[in-house]
Amino acid sequence: DGGITQSPKYLFRKEGQNVTLSCEQNLNHDAMYWYRQDPGQGLRLIYYSQIVNDFQKGDIAEGYSVSREKKESFPLTVTSAQKNPTAFYLCASSIGRGAGELFFGEGSRLTVL
Amino acid sequence: QKEVEQNSGPLSVPEGAIASLNCTYSDRGSQSFFWYRQYSGKSPELIMSIYSNGDKEDGRFTAQLNKASQYVSLLIRDSQPSDSATYLCAVNSNRIKAAGNKLTFGGGTRVLVKP
Repeated sequence: DGGITQSPKYLFRKEGQNVTLSCEQNLNHDAMYWYRQDPGQGLRLIYYSQIVNDFQKGDIAEGYSVSREKKESFPLTVTSAQKNPTAFYLCASSIGRGAGELFFGEGSRLTVL
Repeated sequence: QKEVEQNSGPLSVPEGAIASLNCTYSDRGSQSFFWYRQYSGKSPELIMSIYSNGDKEDGRFTAQLNKASQYVSLLIRDSQPSDSATYLCAVNSNRIKAAGNKLTFGGGTRVLVKP
C-alpha cells in the first residue's frame, strides 16, 4: 500500500539534544513538506522540497534543518536552537510542484523534558 | 490580520442538521482552496478541494467559493457523530510561482455533532 511513514510516533528529548524525525513516502510524489502543529492551532510550514537535493524554508524554519537526498525521504532535524520544540510534527507530500492536495503521514509527537 | 482565518468553535450541531463552516483569506491572488478534516490526535485528511467560484458537492459535503469576497465555506449535510472533528481550511498562496506551492492553513474549526 502506498503512503507516508513517519517515525518515531512519540519521542521524548532532553533540552539541548538534537533529534531527527524520519519521513518516507512510496507514492512517487515530487514534493514533500514538514508542518508543525501546536495544541488547538493550525499547521505551520517548516520546510518544503520540490525536487531532490533542493529545499526551501517555510514560515518557521529557525531551529530546524532538512535534507532531500532521495525522492522518497525527507528527514527533519530539530536542533537545540529551536526554543520551543514540543509539538506535533506532520510530514506531507503532493504529486507535483503545483499541486495543493497534500497527503499526510501519521505524525510524530515530540516532547521536550 | 491572519492570512487564513476560521472561527475556532466549537460548532455544536444536532445529528442530522447542517453544519456550516466559514473561512476567510487575505491573499486576493489565491487560486486553490482545500478543506481538511482532522480527528483528535490524528493527521489531517483531504475532504474537499475547490478552484473556481461557486459550489462543489461531494456526497454530504459542499464547498462554496467566493473569490470577490475572499471566503470559502464548507457545508456538511445530515451531520453524523462521526463528523465530529476539527476542519482545517487551507489556501494555496502561490503568488510567487518560483517559490513553488505552499499551503497556508487556518487555525481550524472544531465541530461537535450531538446525537
